[in-house]
Amino acid sequence: SYELTQPPSVSVSPGQTASITCSGDKLGNKYTCWYQQRPGQSPVLVIYHDIKRPSGIPERFSGSNSGNTATLTISGTQAMDEADYYCQAWDSSTVVFGGGTKLTVL
Amino acid sequence: EVQLVESGGGLVQPGGSLRLSCAASGFTLSTYNMNWVRQAPGKGLEWLSYISGSGSTKYYADSVKGRITISRDNAKNSLYLQMNSLRADDTAVYYCARDPDTAVLRMYFDYWGLGTLVTVSS
Repeated sequence: SYELTQPPSVSVSPGQTASITCSGDKLGNKYTCWYQQRPGQSPVLVIYHDIKRPSGIPERFSGSNSGNTATLTISGTQAMDEADYYCQAWDSSTVVFGGGTKLTVL
Repeated sequence: EVQLVESGGGLVQPGGSLRLSCAASGFTLSTYNMNWVRQAPGKGLEWLSYISGSGSTKYYADSVKGRITISRDNAKNSLYLQMNSLRADDTAVYYCARDPDTAVLRMYFDYWGLGTLVTVSS
């Protein structure tokens, strides 16, 4: 079965750039999206179709996808961005989520 | 305003059954594909099932195939998940989620409900 691999945790200082990776076999050939989940809340879509931002998502969130790796980049990270982030793709009639990355802003 | 409200969760004994519901409002349910996703306590997201807008196409995760059935009643603006032979590791928050894309290859979830907690325990 298809697997998406994310680092368990990423740390970033306020105002700096955070990058969260998501790796999978030939992931660049698939559409990837990203969700943010704050503690006790439902997931929120922050990037879809690799690079698109939904309405209401700040411009500091951006995405890319090439080769075997998709990346969520948060520029000028703010304290409110501290959350779990999940990548997601579709493969062989199955939705696959990455294991999630806890972003710490310190 | 788009809203998804899950219900039907609760405490159930191992081997038992449960039917979850998801009430949709603020949009025409029949024009959207829908999904169920769960999250065990302290764990990540796990996709369970997909159903097309008409209900004609369904997909299931291998981990739950044969034990769950997804269905919908567009006239009632509702999505359902029938779960049987429940086990302790089915304990999780269950979310319904809307997929706005017509092609499964581009699937993503733009709206999620608040979830309903299912606890499987004796």
